[in-house]
Amino acid sequence: SQQGEEDPQALSIQEGENATMNCSYKTSINNLQWYRQNSGRGLVHLILIRSNEREKHSGRLRVTLDTSKKSSSLLITASRAADTASYFCATRSTGANNLFFGTGTRLTVIP
Amino acid sequence: SAVISQKPSRDICQRGTSLTIQCQVDSQVTMMFWYRQQPGQSLTLIATANQGSEATYESGFVIDKFPISRPNLTFSTLTVSNMSPEDSSIYLCSVGGQGVPMEAFFGQGTRLTVV
Repeated sequence: SQQGEEDPQALSIQEGENATMNCSYKTSINNLQWYRQNSGRGLVHLILIRSNEREKHSGRLRVTLDTSKKSSSLLITASRAADTASYFCATRSTGANNLFFGTGTRLTVIP
Repeated sequence: SAVISQKPSRDICQRGTSLTIQCQVDSQVTMMFWYRQQPGQSLTLIATANQGSEATYESGFVIDKFPISRPNLTFSTLTVSNMSPEDSSIYLCSVGGQGVPMEAFFGQGTRLTVV
């Protein structure tokens, strides 16, 4: 299976704290993406990092990518209750048309 | 970007019946993807739907159980046939994820419960 693994599976933090989620994958990739899903609804794209990039920022989001370790991390700084959701990493392997999604991290931010 | 309208948003169905899920995209796209998300799990690709050709199914999914239509470049349907409680999942359609733009866009999902 090309599905990635994420850890932790669940994370509960206080509002204002930082949240870090990790993703590991198995194949060579063109890019790695992070998505957010609220309450079993559709996924929303958060950020994309290309295979030749090591770090990327977007607002309160910081993504790192280590292709030698086939891993990525998503950091959400100064978390808010509205950040409560499930977060998935997704990769597209070279030559593939679709994305493969990680197992997901369920984040709960306590007000 | 792409906006996808997916319906129904949820349904409760009797076992043995079939449900057809529709996805309408606001722009023409070559490929549409159908995913299943079982309770508490990640997304698993069911099939890729191309306009004018048969859908390509992933291992573990067959056309008789999940027939797909793709009559034009903005619309697709997925039917879940002869349902059993094990089919209770969220079903999602998606476009993108390759080429430009690289990010994928999703419908709001169909939450199916089979009783």
